[in-house]
Amino acid sequence: AQSVTQLGSHVSVSEGALVLLRCNYSSSVPPYLFWYVQYPNQGLQLLLKYTSAATLVKGINGFEAEFKKSETSFHLTKPSAHMSDAAEYFCAVSATNTGFQKLVFGTGTRLLVSP
Amino acid sequence: GAGVSQSPSNKVTEKGKDVELRCDPISGHTALYWYRQSLGQGLEFLIYFQGNSAPDKSGLPSDRFSAERTGGSVSTLTIQRTQQEDSAVYLCASSYPGQQETQYFGPGTRLLVL
Repeated sequence: AQSVTQLGSHVSVSEGALVLLRCNYSSSVPPYLFWYVQYPNQGLQLLLKYTSAATLVKGINGFEAEFKKSETSFHLTKPSAHMSDAAEYFCAVSATNTGFQKLVFGTGTRLLVSP
Repeated sequence: GAGVSQSPSNKVTEKGKDVELRCDPISGHTALYWYRQSLGQGLEFLIYFQGNSAPDKSGLPSDRFSAERTGGSVSTLTIQRTQQEDSAVYLCASSYPGQQETQYFGPGTRLLVL
């Protein structure tokens, strides 16, 4: 079984500051890992994904995440926050040994960006 | 190309009524998923379709929920005898053959049961 824990339901940063959103996963098999972003009243947009290739994954809008097996983590970072980054972010995991890739989501982290 | 579309975008219904939610996946995507996003439960998997194969219904919360997919394309999620706890955003996603780990989500249908 897979699960994801996102630490911090809310994270506040100033514009231009580093963004760090934490995600730890649990999986009995090698996982696929994802970060999705959700803007108000919209669906989920894929930011980036880890599929067992490079451990440092670059995504859209300047975000990146690093897969650390020893720490079972997949934290999302961005060097400099923009006001437009304010949204809810979801980490998700799926198993690589199932016939389909059901996503198991974390509870989400709302990113607040102040001027 | 066009993304995943869902209709209606918002639905208000009375307790006990039936509702139908529609999803049009991206053209060429053979896999289709339904998820539910609610305040109490977060994002939950509901059901999965792959082409014309029998769906995986393991996430459906009760027998009031059902879904079908016609012609391997459009899907309808039906909730019978709606309850207030069914109020949520229902999200549909689809994925491409050979890249099923990447799901593309629609904007969702916001269901409110009064």
